[in-house]
Amino acid sequence: TQLLEQSPQFLSIQEGENLTVYCNSSSVFSSLQWYRQEPGEGPVLLVTVVTGGEVKKLKRLTFQFGDARKDSSLHITAAQPGDTGLYLCAGAKETSGSRLTFGEGTQLTVNP
Amino acid sequence: DVKVTQSSRYLVKRTGEKVFLECVQDMDHENMFWYRQDPGLGLRLIYFSYDVKMKEKGDIPEGYSVSREKKERFSLILESASTNQTSMYLCASRQGGASYEQYFGPGTRLTVT
Repeated sequence: TQLLEQSPQFLSIQEGENLTVYCNSSSVFSSLQWYRQEPGEGPVLLVTVVTGGEVKKLKRLTFQFGDARKDSSLHITAAQPGDTGLYLCAGAKETSGSRLTFGEGTQLTVNP
Repeated sequence: DVKVTQSSRYLVKRTGEKVFLECVQDMDHENMFWYRQDPGLGLRLIYFSYDVKMKEKGDIPEGYSVSREKKERFSLILESASTNQTSMYLCASRQGGASYEQYFGPGTRLTVT
């Protein structure tokens, strides 16, 4: 059973378009992280959101944590080819100690 | 910068072989993790360690074992490799405390034939 579900699984868009990736769960998380993974490399942390309703911006990327801390979204404005990669959400629970639960990932391709 | 290194980027082994995957981190992190990554399944936790000589099973420990004799090194062992263990293996480390951020190595792509 996948505790964190990401959608869409694949996304192919043209440069300059906007997009949103969703991460949903029926469980409550104490924090949620977004990672980006490029081919041949390990995931790299983009952001951590902790408070329900929190919004964080990282240049053209906007991250939101749901009010109930069960879901999150990643919005990219004016996507560029350099945004291409696998985007992973990961949730932490206080009862799980050091462990993170990862979503399946969203493979984003931005075509020039 | 935190650096997590893995001993091999690519590895090809035969069914039944014993396989060692090594991971080293240079930031004195307490926690270390081994995941496997398969298309459509995301990252699945195999084992993790929160201290030297301490280990805990993750979600899919069957067919694997681990060793952590030194704080900076965490090894994953496939006692008898099977074709269904063909996968990308990722090692990660994390500082203890409130931050859940994990730092990942580049991964080892293992093929078992």
